[in-house]
Amino acid sequence: AQKVTQAQTEISVVEKEDVTLDCVYETRDTTYYLFWYKQPPSGELVFLIRRNSFDEQNEISGRYSWNFQKSTSSFNFTITASQVVDSAVYFCALSEVNTGNQFYFGTGTSLTVIP
Amino acid sequence: DTEVTQTPKHLVMGMTNKKSLKCEQHMGHRAMYWYKQKAKKPPELMFVYSYEKLSINESVPSRFSPECPNSSLLNLHLHALQPEDSALYLCASSQTGGVNTEAFFGQGTRLTVV
Repeated sequence: AQKVTQAQTEISVVEKEDVTLDCVYETRDTTYYLFWYKQPPSGELVFLIRRNSFDEQNEISGRYSWNFQKSTSSFNFTITASQVVDSAVYFCALSEVNTGNQFYFGTGTSLTVIP
Repeated sequence: DTEVTQTPKHLVMGMTNKKSLKCEQHMGHRAMYWYKQKAKKPPELMFVYSYEKLSINESVPSRFSPECPNSSLLNLHLHALQPEDSALYLCASSQTGGVNTEAFFGQGTRLTVV
């Protein structure tokens, strides 16, 4: 079963629009961590954020914000005032106490920001 | 320095060749990973080294052979590959490999098997 679901395969927005990328996860662990990574065309996955299962506070970092809701098992990512440089594939990932060293990646959302 | 360096960036090899991919980090991380990523797919875990010992091998064919000579270096030795092994190979490292540590990724090696 897919542990992390990113239902949006591709999204296109016009520059300066806000965009939200959805992430839904599934786990039986009470302690787990959620991550977002950005993969630009160059290939490197860039770490954006880590959130643990006990911390439901939303986080804002510049134009980026994250909404973690345990009740709906979701960890959504919003980019405000999108820019062309935000064009990339974004992956949500999960790690669990019981499976330690590995990340379960979602299938990714390809975001294109049109100038 | 939050950099993971992979060489080479691109590699074309024949099915009878032997080649190696190299990965280096100087962040003092004790866990290192190899991932394989096909186009338009998420990364798939291949191997994990934790404190220089192989801790996870995700049923990878023996034509891929990992090696961790020391805590800063990770190699992936390739032999008798198939065209379907063509992919982006990503190396990553994390502080301890624990569930709560994020991984830092290199830019990857784009491998083409002909």
